[in-house]
This record gives sequence, C-alpha cells and structure tokens, in this order.
Amino acid sequence: AQKVTQAQTEISVVEKEDVTLDCVYETRDTTYYLFWYKQPPSGELVFLIRRNSFDEQNEISGRYSWNFQKSTSSFNFTITASQVVDSAVYFCALSEVYTGRRALTFGSGTRLQVQP
Amino acid sequence: DGGITQSPKYLFRKEGQNVTLSCEQNLNHDAMYWYRQDPGQGLRLIYYSQIVNDFQKGDIAEGYSVSREKKESFPLTVTSAQKNPTAFYLCASSGQAPKGESGANVLTFGAGSRLTVL
Repeated sequence: AQKVTQAQTEISVVEKEDVTLDCVYETRDTTYYLFWYKQPPSGELVFLIRRNSFDEQNEISGRYSWNFQKSTSSFNFTITASQVVDSAVYFCALSEVYTGRRALTFGSGTRLQVQP
Repeated sequence: DGGITQSPKYLFRKEGQNVTLSCEQNLNHDAMYWYRQDPGQGLRLIYYSQIVNDFQKGDIAEGYSVSREKKESFPLTVTSAQKNPTAFYLCASSGQAPKGESGANVLTFGAGSRLTVL
C-alpha cells in the first residue's frame, strides 16, 4: 500500500534562512504522482506542485524548489530566504495511477514557523 | 468565483448525535472527497466519489456515511457510531485528469469544518 512519511513534525527558522522539508514515499506502482500542499492558519489547503514519476528534473518556482529523487523515494521541498508568510503546515502527498483508488495519500505534515 | 463551500465552519455536538457536514462545489468537478485531519496525523481519507450516485470507502470510513445525489454536493454524516469524531474535516474536489494521466488530479479544498463533541 502507498505511504508518505514526513519525519519533521515542526521546524522553526528565522526569516531569510533556507529550509528544506523532507518527504519520503512508498509505492508499488511504477507510475505515480507526487504533490505538495500548503495549509496556512486559515485551514484551506493550497496546491503548490505536482510531479509525475517519470520526470526527475528539479523544479524551481521563485523561492520554492523541489528535489525529486526516485533512487531514494524522496521528494523534498526547499524554501530559500524564508519569510514570515511561509509559516504554515506543509503536506506531501502521493497518488498512484494503477490502483483502483483515485485519491491522494497524505503525509502527516510539517509545521514551519518562520520567526521575524 | 468557483470554489468549494463547506458548512458549518464550527459545529458542536453532544455524544450520541448524528451530524451532517455540507460540501458544495461549483467547479463542475466529477470527483469529490472527504478527509479528516487530526493533530500530528495529517489528512486521512474517509470517503470519495468519482461520479454521481457512486462512492467508495477510504481508510477510515467506519462511523461515517455519505451520499452523492448531485454532482455539486457531497454531504458527510458523522454518526453516533464514530467513536472519536472531534476533528477538522476537509472536503475536496477534482476534475477529469488529462487523458493518459489517471491519478494526476489536483485536488481543490474547501476551508474545512471543525467538529467538537461535548
């Protein structure tokens, strides 16, 4: 069965520091998708990125970057020069293509606190 | 603007009572989902529905029931059989994945409903 592990429960950094959120996944599918979502204090999850299992290119979007490594089953998320507005809970999620279930499996989340 | 509306935002229930959480979407999405969020446990799937009049159990369906009579609506009933119902409940929806990309659906979430059992 699929599983997503986010070992870091909570991270606290000072503004302008770089921070990496770890995500490790397990799946038996050869084809799958990985996601990151942000949950600000308001509670609503916001989609950040989706990656399919055939695309191992790293992606950068402004201060955000993602490192996908199939060899270690990891999909880590780095925020460069963190800001207070980055404070939120971040979730990594997995969706398999060939299982009958068409729903995301989420990790337990990492709470990021960015101090001014 | 299109989106997902969950109501009520906060709900208090006495033990032994059933309660129904509403989820409505105007995104014309086929699929809808209910997740439960507890501190330190992330989001766990309760039920999901890929199409009207059809739904599937997720990982923690016991004590919950759903219906999908209309495309835009997917209400969740928390029954008295649910032993620990206090939690934050999130509804989501997704459209059709591009052809050949099953599993690629991006979920759009509502703002959630917080249920507290007194």
